Amino acid sequence: DAKTTQPTSMDCAEGRAANLPCNHSTISGNEYVYWYRQIHSQGPQYIIHGLKNNETNEMASLIITEDRKSSTLILPHATLRDTAVYYCIVSGSGGSNYKLTFGKGTLLTVNP
Amino acid sequence: GAGVSQSPSNKVTEKGKDVELRCDPISGHTALYWYRQSLGQGLEFLIYFQGNSAPDKSGLPSDRFSAERTGGSVSTLTIQRTQQEDSAVYLCASSLDSNLYYGYTFGSGTRLTVV
Repeated sequence: DAKTTQPTSMDCAEGRAANLPCNHSTISGNEYVYWYRQIHSQGPQYIIHGLKNNETNEMASLIITEDRKSSTLILPHATLRDTAVYYCIVSGSGGSNYKLTFGKGTLLTVNP
Repeated sequence: GAGVSQSPSNKVTEKGKDVELRCDPISGHTALYWYRQSLGQGLEFLIYFQGNSAPDKSGLPSDRFSAERTGGSVSTLTIQRTQQEDSAVYLCASSLDSNLYYGYTFGSGTRLTVV
């Protein structure tokens, strides 16, 4: 699986957009970008995933660059409850690619 | 239930004792995973079950660790002769099938402390 690089930590003001970057320069053509988050003392929570097109759901938007070497997770109006560690994971889908490999992620702190 | 249920939520055990951790996945989810998260660390894959297929045990750190999944539903992770380095949060997740496209749903974990 391709490796990802994320900043260790970020801060965001409540109500503002939080933009979390992820570099995955070695991503291959059939690998998806997945985002999970882990709020303190809870299990990780699925947020969104994408292959090459931008994606949006009720939680967030995922912007993937045209060359697919990087992506950005956008929380449009961050709240205090969005304070969590955010994991960017790259993996194939299906077949033998059933494991998610979690790195250290980005600790996002949303400040009042 | 609506989510993945794990029990107990907390477990303190003496070094050398055996422990059993339970995971009740979402009904209908055929894939089940166990991960471990040590203090300040990322998640470490332990074992994967998919339907009636042989489990992927490649992440189990030693032969003191074992897991089973009965009837394709509930899973039990057993740690024999616990050591202090086994202290961690043990997380279970389930998925509709092995395709990552559907995403994992994690439980809240069991915090194991070996004293």
